[in-house]
This record gives sequence, C-alpha cells and structure tokens, in this order.
Amino acid sequence: KQEVTQIPAALSVPEGENLVLNCSFTDSAIYNLQWFRQDPGKGLTSLLLIQSSQREQTSGRLNASLDKSSGRSTLYIAASQPGDSATYLCAVKIAPLVFGKGTRLSVIA
Amino acid sequence: DGGITQSPKYLFRKEGQNVTLSCEQNLNHDAMYWYRQDPGQGLRLIYYSQIVNDFQKGDIAEGYSVSREKKESFPLTVTSAQKNPTAFYLCASSVAGAYTEAFFGQGTRLTVV
Repeated sequence: KQEVTQIPAALSVPEGENLVLNCSFTDSAIYNLQWFRQDPGKGLTSLLLIQSSQREQTSGRLNASLDKSSGRSTLYIAASQPGDSATYLCAVKIAPLVFGKGTRLSVIA
Repeated sequence: DGGITQSPKYLFRKEGQNVTLSCEQNLNHDAMYWYRQDPGQGLRLIYYSQIVNDFQKGDIAEGYSVSREKKESFPLTVTSAQKNPTAFYLCASSVAGAYTEAFFGQGTRLTVV
C-alpha cells in the first residue's frame, strides 16, 4: 500500500530564508505528484504538478523536484515571506491521490 | 468563474442523524472525490467517482454514502452508522485520466453536537 511521508512535520524560519520541504513515497509506480498549500480552516490550493516523466517544475519562488526511482520529492521555497506560512501537503497519484500529513510552515517576520 | 463549491461551510449534526454535504463543480470534470481530514491524520479518501452513475469506495467508506446522478454534483451523506463524524470534509475534482491535476473545494466542517 502506498504511503507518503513528509518531513519535517513543522518548521519555523525567519523571513528571507530559502527552505526545503521533503516528501517520500513507498511505491514508485505513480502517475504524478502534486504539492498543495492549505491555510487554516480552508481547502487545498494546488501549487505544482509534476508528471512521473518529469524531474522538476517551477512556479515563481517555488521549485519542486521529483526522483521517482528513489521515491522522493522536494519543494524548494526561495526567499520565504510571512505570507508563505501555511501547511504544505504532498500527494502522489496512483488512482486517486494519496496524501502525506503535511509540513506546517511558519515564516517569522 | 469556474471552481468547486462545497456547502455548507459549517454543519452541526445531532447523534443519530444523517446529514448530506454538497459538492458542485463547473469545471466539466469527470472525476470527483471526497476526503476526510482529521488533525494529525492527513487526508483520507472516502469515495470517488470517475464517471456519472459510478463510484468506488475509498479507504474509509464505512458510515458514508454517495451518489453521482449528474456530472457536476457529488453529494456525500454521513449516516448515523459513522461513529466519529466530526472532521473537515474536502471535495475535489479532476479531468478523467491518470495524469491529471486535482482541484479542491473550500471544505465543510462537520461537528457532532
């Protein structure tokens, strides 16, 4: 059964730092991997989608990489801002999406 | 504008009651999903539907039921058989197919009183 793990569970950084969030999955037979952002009490906002044949995707200050063979993805956030404070969720698609438990990020001004 | 609408935003249920959560999308997506989110548990799949009049159970389907009579609608009923229904419920949709992106609604918070 596919399992998705996100490390760390929580992270607090000062404004301006570059940071990396990690996601690992146990079965490499995925169709794609998606990173989401969730603000407290809200739904999920899709940040980046990486197809299984791709190595990385970029959107603004965000860069996500995928190493399917090792079962790992990283989300890189450059020059973090207080507005980046949220929970970040990683999900892999086998049939429906399978989610990790998320990393709760706090960026301190 | 296009999107996924969940209603209500907050819902209170008495013990022994059935309640129905609404999910409507105008994205013309074939596939729709229901997830449950509990603190520290991540999102868990309840039911999903790839096409009208067809749906499959997810990992935690017991105590829930769904219908898919229209492409744009996928309501979830939380029955009295669900012993611990207090949670945040999220609906999602995507274009049919394996390599497609999923989009989520804003969620419904259900509380048992």
